[in-house]
Amino acid sequence: DAGVIQSPRHEVTEMGQEVTLRCKPISGHDYLFWYRQTMMRGLELLIYFNNNVPIDDSGMPEDRFSAKMPNASFSTLKIQPSEPRDSAVYFCASSHTDLYEQYFGPGTRLTVT
Amino acid sequence: QKEVEQDPGPLSVPEGAIVSLNCTYSNSAFQYFMWYRQYSRKGPELLMYTYSSGNKEDGRFTAQVDKSSKYISLFIRDSQPSDSATYLCASCKNRDDKIIFGKGTRLHILP
Repeated sequence: DAGVIQSPRHEVTEMGQEVTLRCKPISGHDYLFWYRQTMMRGLELLIYFNNNVPIDDSGMPEDRFSAKMPNASFSTLKIQPSEPRDSAVYFCASSHTDLYEQYFGPGTRLTVT
Repeated sequence: QKEVEQDPGPLSVPEGAIVSLNCTYSNSAFQYFMWYRQYSRKGPELLMYTYSSGNKEDGRFTAQVDKSSKYISLFIRDSQPSDSATYLCASCKNRDDKIIFGKGTRLHILP
């Protein structure tokens, strides 16, 4: 398996623009997670899905953030409008049945100017 | 107080030394304790996990949990330059519960 795939790997955008991050989980995995990592706050869980259904979105910072999982092999995280404080590395991860064993993608490095 | 705390480092040790990385946690309900390793510009990867208290050994790595003091440790024997990475400790209550990560400790092994 190719592992968790994320795109784009790097995104530079201007404040106010819409940003869409994409993720393809490992085939057969039931859970999908979106994380954000910064030096100040570390690795934070934004939202996770089980069988395409959002289970916990308590980590989503505000209404500017939204996530969807239309099918088992694709998820998006959208930020609209983007702000400089959204600059971070965003990771997607997936797991089969045991949530302590997660497989992370390479991340998307987002810079909002 | 964050639920899982760890010193950010950096920690620099000479090659071949024994490395000790530590975390504390606050939630008594945590039952699973994990160590993830993250190389620069990469995603974290699960190194090993422990259920409840006790030790677990995997090659040069030993994970230790003391639930009475809420203390998590990772020992690396015969450290190698390839061990240079950020090590994140993490915990959760059950196998179907979300993980809480520490901020990570940056480790440098000097050749």
